[in-house]
Amino acid sequence: DAGVTQSPTHLIKTRGQQVTLRCSPKSGHDTVSWYQQALGQGPQFIFQYYEEEERQRGNFPDRFSGHQFPNYSSELNVNALLLGDSALYLCASSLAPLDNEKLFFGSGTQLSVL
Amino acid sequence: AQSVTQLGSHVSVSEGALVLLRCNYSSSVPPYLFWYVQYPNQGLQLLLKYTSAATLVKGINGFEAEFKKSETSFHLTKPSAHMSDAAEYFCAVQYGGSQGNLIFGKGTKLSVKP
Repeated sequence: DAGVTQSPTHLIKTRGQQVTLRCSPKSGHDTVSWYQQALGQGPQFIFQYYEEEERQRGNFPDRFSGHQFPNYSSELNVNALLLGDSALYLCASSLAPLDNEKLFFGSGTQLSVL
Repeated sequence: AQSVTQLGSHVSVSEGALVLLRCNYSSSVPPYLFWYVQYPNQGLQLLLKYTSAATLVKGINGFEAEFKKSETSFHLTKPSAHMSDAAEYFCAVQYGGSQGNLIFGKGTKLSVKP
């Protein structure tokens, strides 16, 4: 049983560019959450998707957007990249919205903005 | 603002010694509390959680944590450290019962010396 898979594992972009990160949830999970983990910090909640809609959102600007597909996979899009967007982006899946007791995390996508 | 504080960004112990990682939360209403472990190049893995049942919580890999409301603490302990315990540990809180988002501490990196 595959866990949460994220792609790509590493990515290098330049300021002002746009990036798309992808996540496939654990089999049987229908809810996907995204977190940003800056160097030396704990993960910060970006948003959560359930039934193809954004259900909750953390304190992130509109440059951060997402999407969930009918197969429950999800994308995180970041526009107009800033140097400060460099971080590890983690995807987590669960069986239901905000079921944090049963969150499964992927290994993340390391984004570097130059 | 609701927050969680991990005392000590880096803790070093000898193999076989007691592991104590500190976590304090800021709220008069006890939240749900979690400890996660992150090994290099991997996602977060849940070690244990407190959700208002027993105050002493046992988790995986021999770790346990005790919820102390009077001290607003949820420190993580393990009687005898193994080399394989070297990793980064994150304390997280969830306010608002099962509907809140996870708020993570900044993490404590545990080193284990032979």
